Amino acid sequence: EAGVAQSPRYKIIEKRQSVAFWCNPISGHATLYWYQQILGQGPKLLIQFQNNGVVDDSQLPKDRFSAERLKGVDSTLKIQPAKLEDSAVYLCASSLDRQREQFFGPGTRLTVL
Amino acid sequence: SQELEQSPQSLIVQEGKNLTINCTSSKTLYGLYWYKQKYGEGLIFLMMLQKGGEEKSHEKITAKLDEKKQQSSLHITASQPSHAGIYLCGADLSGAGNMLTFGGGTRLMVKP
Repeated sequence: EAGVAQSPRYKIIEKRQSVAFWCNPISGHATLYWYQQILGQGPKLLIQFQNNGVVDDSQLPKDRFSAERLKGVDSTLKIQPAKLEDSAVYLCASSLDRQREQFFGPGTRLTVL
Repeated sequence: SQELEQSPQSLIVQEGKNLTINCTSSKTLYGLYWYKQKYGEGLIFLMMLQKGGEEKSHEKITAKLDEKKQQSSLHITASQPSHAGIYLCGADLSGAGNMLTFGGGTRLMVKP
């Protein structure tokens, strides 16, 4: 069974630029999560989707971050414009449903200069 | 302070030694998950605990959820270099049924 796929694996941009990350969850997983992990810290939930609907986006900085999950499968997370403090690893995870364990992708490491 | 506190933050042990990592919450743990992360990689699911007093084991790793459901421990017996990495606890603190909060992680190094 294929795992959660993410791309790109690494991205370096300058502040005020835009960036987008892509996630392909495990086939059949209804729930998809985006986390931000700053170096030395645990992951912080940004947004949770159930199929193509948003369940929780309370910690998403909506003035600059946006996410969508069209057709309830793939998802994209966008930052526009990026700030220095956005430098982090962005992790995507999926689960069969909200009560099951989450499976994580390898993450995208973003560096904002 | 974080809702989930892990201790210690880092740990260096000699190969073959036993060790314990703790995860403490100020709220009831409705579900507790342990993950392992290696540098530059995603999180690998280890175990999930839901009931007070529950204990699960996988190979040389044992996790427990205390009766009051506010603390979990992860115990590694006879540590090996392959156990090195960052151990993260994640929890459902709302009772909604899914894990949304992580601790800060414990960085484990095992010296050969």
